[in-house]
Amino acid sequence: KNQVEQSPQSLIILEGKNCTLQCNYTVSPFSNLRWYKQDTGRGPVSLTIMTFSENTKSNGRYTATLDADTKQSSLHITASQLSDSASYICVVSAVYGGSQGNLIFGKGTKLSVKP
Amino acid sequence: DTGVSQNPRHKITKRGQNVTFRCDPISEHNRLYWYRQTLGQGPEFLTYFQNEAQLEKSRLLSDRFSAERPKGSFSTLEIQRTEQGDSAMYLCASSFGPNLAKNIQYFGAGTRLSVL
Repeated sequence: KNQVEQSPQSLIILEGKNCTLQCNYTVSPFSNLRWYKQDTGRGPVSLTIMTFSENTKSNGRYTATLDADTKQSSLHITASQLSDSASYICVVSAVYGGSQGNLIFGKGTKLSVKP
Repeated sequence: DTGVSQNPRHKITKRGQNVTFRCDPISEHNRLYWYRQTLGQGPEFLTYFQNEAQLEKSRLLSDRFSAERPKGSFSTLEIQRTEQGDSAMYLCASSFGPNLAKNIQYFGAGTRLSVL
């Protein structure tokens, strides 16, 4: 069964600290992996997208890594800011002839950054 | 703001009533998607359009749900005979590009439906 598991479910850190969010998936055949940021009451916003051949991708203070062998990804946030408080969703795309039904979403990690 | 626009932002309705939501995608985007998101969960795919053609529907899209994109621009999602289990955030996204598997979807802010 295609699944995306994220950990931790929630995380509280102090402003200025770094943190790492984890994503494990069992999606096959794999096409790409995306990280989205979703503020409360808003739609998700794309942070990174990585294909099988990409190990890391950065977007400002956000760095995503991908290990396609172990089917794991992480999102590292550097020097956190209060505005980083949001849910971070890992999304894995399977390759089924272009079917959009095979974008599999994780439940997200809810990050709270405290002053 | 030239992003994906959804209306209304909030909708409260009584069980059994029909509701309709509207999504205006980014103007040059040819693909449009509808998702449903319940509290504490990730979005779940409902349906997808390429231009005016509805190319895929999820099993979640029961016969009470219907989506249209008549001119390949805005889309509507209608839920008939609403049930309390329909209470959720309904998200619309749009995208453009030749590679369907890699194109980035831009999401709207969603319509939050509450069925009493």
